Amino acid sequence: AQSVSQHNHHVILSEAASLELGCNYSYGGTVNLFWYVQYPGQHLQLLLKYFSGDPLVKGIKGFEAEFIKSKFSFNLRKPSVQWSDTAEYFCAVNANTGRRALTFGSGTRLQVQP
Amino acid sequence: DVKVTQSSRYLVKRTGEKVFLECVQDMDHENMFWYRQDPGLGLRLIYFSYDVKMKEKGDIPEGYSVSREKKERFSLILESASTNQTSMYLCASRGGGRDFYEQYFGPGTRLTVT
Repeated sequence: AQSVSQHNHHVILSEAASLELGCNYSYGGTVNLFWYVQYPGQHLQLLLKYFSGDPLVKGIKGFEAEFIKSKFSFNLRKPSVQWSDTAEYFCAVNANTGRRALTFGSGTRLQVQP
Repeated sequence: DVKVTQSSRYLVKRTGEKVFLECVQDMDHENMFWYRQDPGLGLRLIYFSYDVKMKEKGDIPEGYSVSREKKERFSLILESASTNQTSMYLCASRGGGRDFYEQYFGPGTRLTVT
């Protein structure tokens, strides 16, 4: 069964600091990978996605993620965070196993201090 | 833009009550999903449906059932609510083709069972 691990549960950064959130998945075959973000009081929205091709994926609001197949990882990065990035971030995977739904990690709560 | 709406943002029910959570999407998506979101556990799949009247169990279906009589509407039913079903419930939908695995989420229903 596919699974996703997010090792950072709560991250606190100051504005302008660099961000890297870890995500590892367990499936060895072809995967589709996603990062979703949930701002306080808002619904989940897609930040970026990887299906194939260039392993460095750029998303909205200056976020990017790198797919490293050998490490089963899809880490989220941003060079300089803003207070408005305070949110919960979820990594998700769908492997070509016939399962139609995404499998989500446990989430990382990011708090950016002004 | 895809729109997924849920009938209530907040709901308070008593133990033993039958509870209906409604979800409607406006993009003619084949696939619809119900997740529950709990702190530290991320999103866990309860049920999903890939067509009208078709459903499959997710990872935590116990205590829940679903109904999909029309393509745009997917209902989650708690037959006899219990306090351990207090949670945030998220509905999602997804179409086919290139966007096959990208899921769009509703705003969520925060259910409290007393």
